[in-house]
Amino acid sequence: DGGITQSPKYLFRKEGQNVTLSCEQNLNHDAMYWYRQDPGQGLRLIYYSQIVNDFQKGDIAEGYSVSREKKESFPLTVTSAQKNPTAFYLCASSTPEGGRRSYNEQFFGPGTRLTVL
Amino acid sequence: GQQVMQIPQYQHVQEGEDFTTYCNSSTTLSNIQWYKQRPGGHPVFLIQLVKSGEVKKQKRLTFQFGEAKKNSSLHITATQTTDVGTYFCAGQKTNAGKSTFGDGTTLTVKP
Repeated sequence: DGGITQSPKYLFRKEGQNVTLSCEQNLNHDAMYWYRQDPGQGLRLIYYSQIVNDFQKGDIAEGYSVSREKKESFPLTVTSAQKNPTAFYLCASSTPEGGRRSYNEQFFGPGTRLTVL
Repeated sequence: GQQVMQIPQYQHVQEGEDFTTYCNSSTTLSNIQWYKQRPGGHPVFLIQLVKSGEVKKQKRLTFQFGEAKKNSSLHITATQTTDVGTYFCAGQKTNAGKSTFGDGTTLTVKP
């Protein structure tokens, strides 16, 4: 059964603690993405990776870090430097077309709702 | 940087009425994608438009891509309660490696 998994669905942390959100895909997709969603603000790109061992900052990368050691996995760490980390985090993956000039549709995981107390 | 504006932010309709959401990019796009997110769920891909002036239909949904490849629209004919959710457009520039999402239009349908 192919798809993207994110765990856990709900996560609570105390202020000042780092927390790592997992994202795994078995779709054999090259590209993976992390988005943050706040009410009424759509999806904002945190980090993305087009290939293993490489990743780029998105629009709101400050206070976050990622790694891409395996094609299937793209974990996101929310550090204590992130000033307002409470949000809904979505991971997605995609495949390139046209020699990576563009990408096909993104498949999203179910998301993780992070609450920092 | 690239901006994608989507209007309206909210739309409330009576069941059976039509609905349209509009997406405008500050730059020319290589393609545009549309997604639907049900309340409490995650975005699900609906369609991708690539060609200038392209029109695609999926049952009651009609998608258009502007001639200049800077704007797009999604039109739903005779809405049903199953259409509720937030509709996002996502624009992609050539060689960008990523898409820019609009803020979405949230549709509510009154039975």
